[in-house]
Formats: sequence, structure tokens, C-alpha cells
Amino acid sequence: NAGVTQTPKFRILKIGQSMTLQCAQDMNHNYMYWYRQDPGMGLKLIYYSVGAGITDKGEVPNGYNVSRSTTEDFPLRLELAAPSQTSVYFCASSSREGEKLFFGSGTQLSVL
Amino acid sequence: AQKITQTQPGMFVQEKEAVTLDCTYDTSDQSYGLFWYKQPSSGEMIFLIYQGSYDEQNATEGRYSLNFQKARKSANLVISASQLGDSAMYFCAMREGWNSGGSNYKLTFGKGTLLTVNP
Repeated sequence: NAGVTQTPKFRILKIGQSMTLQCAQDMNHNYMYWYRQDPGMGLKLIYYSVGAGITDKGEVPNGYNVSRSTTEDFPLRLELAAPSQTSVYFCASSSREGEKLFFGSGTQLSVL
Repeated sequence: AQKITQTQPGMFVQEKEAVTLDCTYDTSDQSYGLFWYKQPSSGEMIFLIYQGSYDEQNATEGRYSLNFQKARKSANLVISASQLGDSAMYFCAMREGWNSGGSNYKLTFGKGTLLTVNP
């Protein structure tokens, strides 16, 4: 079972570059989320989606964009990367609201 | 104010002993849920246990149990018979209900406790 798949696993960006972090789940979950984890900290919610075509901001959305054109995919777009976006990014999904999250393996991003 | 507080940045335990990881939470909702996740050094997030605010019994999952004290707003994780493979970061998280002005859809995480199991 693939579960939640994130790509890439590692990436180094230069300041001002853009990139898209890919996330796909094969569990037919309606709810999907993007979190970031800074060193020594817990996870903070960037964006979430409750279904295809519906997205909303989380706690730290600035500098990011998302789209949800299908149930399976929830890409996260970084525009004009900044050093403050150096972090580990986790995509997650859940079958129902308030249910446990299934996490991807994470993407370690460095902006230099 | 922080919604989830984990006061122990690091904990040490001897193999085969039990350990309690603390978590306190702050919410005005009557309906909420509490989760514990494990993050080993490899980085993935692994779900361990869940407690709903209306659950009368403390949740248990194998060697994991959740000591839920609603009046104190605490949801401590107890790991019995610690194993070397339990060495990891542990995160407490809360899902609040509609009344908080938040959403049922997302979890708020604490900063975590790094558990080290000594042989």
C-alpha cells in the first residue's frame, strides 16, 4: 500500500527560485494537509483541503499556494523561495474530519 | 497561549521500564480529540493512540496507554516495557471542535519530547 507519497525527498533551492512539492494519496481520502516542521519544533499547518476544489489557509500560509484539482493530489507551490522556508514539509491525509492523519515521508527543503 | 504544551524537551528511560510523557492542552470546546504521534530519526510520523473527549475509558494500544485527566486538561502518554526502538520524538496533538472558532479538520501539535531508551 502506497498511502501518502511525497516527492522529492530532498531539495536545495536558491533564494527567489520556485518549486512545487508533490503529494498524492491512494486511500480516497477527502481531507489533505500540508505541514512544516522547523528544527526542534512541532508541526505547523500551512494549508488544508476538505475535498477537490476546496482549499483553505492554515496557521502559516504566507509564501505558499496550493491547489486540489483531484481527490488524490494536493501539490504545494513555493513562490520566490526565502531562507525562512527552510524546513521539513509533510503532507498528510485523513478519511474523515477529526480522524487520525496519515503522513507522507516528508520533504527536506533548504533555501540558500 | 499555546494550545498544546509538552514540558519535557527530553526524557531518558531504561530499557524494560515504563515512562510517562506529559501533555497538557488548552481548549474551551466540549468536543475534542487528542493524538500522540511518534517520529523516529528516519523522520516519518507514526500514529500511536487517540483519545476522544467523551471517551470514558483511557485509550490503550498495545504498550501505549493514554492517561486522560479531563479536569486537569492533561493527556499523558504512558509507554510500558520500553524498548530500544522506542527512542524517538513524541508529539501530542489536539483536534478541536467547531465552538473554538477553529476547525474539526486540522490538528495542532506540541513541540515534542525526545525520548531516549538506554540499554
